Amino acid sequence: DAGVIQSPRHEVTEMGQEVTLRCKPISGHDYLFWYRQTMMRGLELLIYFNNNVPIDDSGMPEDRFSAKMPNASFSTLKIQPSEPRDSAVYFCASTSRDRGETQYFGPGTRLLVL
Amino acid sequence: AQSVTQPDIHITVSEGASLELRCNYSYGATPYLFWYVQSPGQGLQLLLKYFSGDTLVQGIKGFEAEFKRSQSSFNLRKPSVHWSDAAEYFCAVGAYSGAGSYQLTFGKGTKLSVIP
Repeated sequence: DAGVIQSPRHEVTEMGQEVTLRCKPISGHDYLFWYRQTMMRGLELLIYFNNNVPIDDSGMPEDRFSAKMPNASFSTLKIQPSEPRDSAVYFCASTSRDRGETQYFGPGTRLLVL
Repeated sequence: AQSVTQPDIHITVSEGASLELRCNYSYGATPYLFWYVQSPGQGLQLLLKYFSGDTLVQGIKGFEAEFKRSQSSFNLRKPSVHWSDAAEYFCAVGAYSGAGSYQLTFGKGTKLSVIP
């Protein structure tokens, strides 16, 4: 099993630019989660999907953030326009109903907005 | 809503010494409890989990944790620490809301340093 795959692993961009983060969940998993990790706030859930449908997006900080899951094997998190305070590590995680509540995390995307 | 407290931000132990990382949670019922480990620049790896049953759970890498309902705690332990255990450790609580959505809430983490 390849595990959760995220790309890019590192992203450096300038304020105002659009940033797109990508995630491929573990095959067969029907839940996908996006988290953000910062020193100040720790790990925060941004949004999660079940069967490609967004279930809870209450953690999305503002309208500049959007997430999509067009199919079971791909999801994107987009920030437009990006700001320096968006600098963080963004993690994707997945699980399935028969895995119970155990989430499997990807390696993360380290984002730096200058 | 649930919450998780890891009271120790940073712990330093000598290699070979025993380790206990503390975790307290707040939730109205018995939640799902997890410990994850994060090595520098890496994602989170599941160490162990508790859903129900035996309150002492065994995990990978020689770790164990004990669920104590009366203390709302789920402390992580290891009898003999290895230098490779240096990492950041996160306790997490999972619970369903009344609306049926599921949320995993993480503590702020405890960074473990190991002295050779």
